[in-house]
Amino acid sequence: EIVLTQSPGTLSLSPGERATLSCRASQSVSSSYLAWYQQKPGQAPRLLIYGASSRATGIPDRFSGSGSGTDFTLTISRLEPEDFAVYYCQQYGSSRYTFGQGTKLEIK
Amino acid sequence: EVQLVESGGGLVKPGGSLRLSCAASGFTFSSYSMNWVRQAPGKGLEWVSSISSSSSYIYYADSVKGRFTISRDNAKNSLYLQMNSLRAEDTAVYYCARVFCSSTSCYAGTVGYWGQGTLVTVSS
Repeated sequence: EIVLTQSPGTLSLSPGERATLSCRASQSVSSSYLAWYQQKPGQAPRLLIYGASSRATGIPDRFSGSGSGTDFTLTISRLEPEDFAVYYCQQYGSSRYTFGQGTKLEIK
Repeated sequence: EVQLVESGGGLVKPGGSLRLSCAASGFTFSSYSMNWVRQAPGKGLEWVSSISSSSSYIYYADSVKGRFTISRDNAKNSLYLQMNSLRAEDTAVYYCARVFCSSTSCYAGTVGYWGQGTLVTVSS
C-alpha cells in the first residue's frame, strides 16, 4: 500500500498570498496518478486536480498541480477567501487507492 | 444532474452487520465504476472499496478486506456495501462516489461526484 504524507499539517496564510501544499508518497506513483481534493466543513470533497497537473472541470486556474514519482505539489497562486479548507492528495496508480492525511489551510 | 443518495446507516453493535445502499440517477450508471469512501468524525478521508462498471474488477482497502463486500445492480442503478464483523474503528460517514471522467477518459479510483454520506456508528 502506498502511504501519502502531506505537509504541512496546517498552513496559515492571508487572502492574496500564495499557498504551496506538499504530498510525498512512500513509493513511486504510477503514471503520475495523483489527485487533489478540497473539502469544506460539512461538505463532501471536490476534485481539483487529476493526473498530477490537470485541472478538473470548472476549477479556477489559480489552482495548479505539479510533480512526479514520489513528490507532488498543489499550488494556489493567489488565495481567495473561499479557498480556506482542508486539502487531500490521493494516489490511484495502484489498485489500493489511498489518501493523504490532509492539510488544513486556514486564514492567518 | 448526477445524484447519489446513500441509505442504510445507523447504530450497530461491535461484531454486527449493516448494508449500505446508494441510489444513483442523472447518468448511465452501468457505464461507470463506483467507490465507497469513508470519513471518521473529525478525521481524513479513507478509500474503502471500488467496483468496475460490470463488476469485473473489485478492490478493497486492507482495513476492510474480508469483512466488507461491494456490489452493484445495474438494472436498479444501485451500489451496495455489505459490512460484517463491524468494529468501533469503522465508525464514519460513508460516501458513495462516482469515478471522475474528463471529456476523453475515466480515471479509476478518482471521485468526480459524491453523495451526501450516511453515518455508521459502531458502539455497544
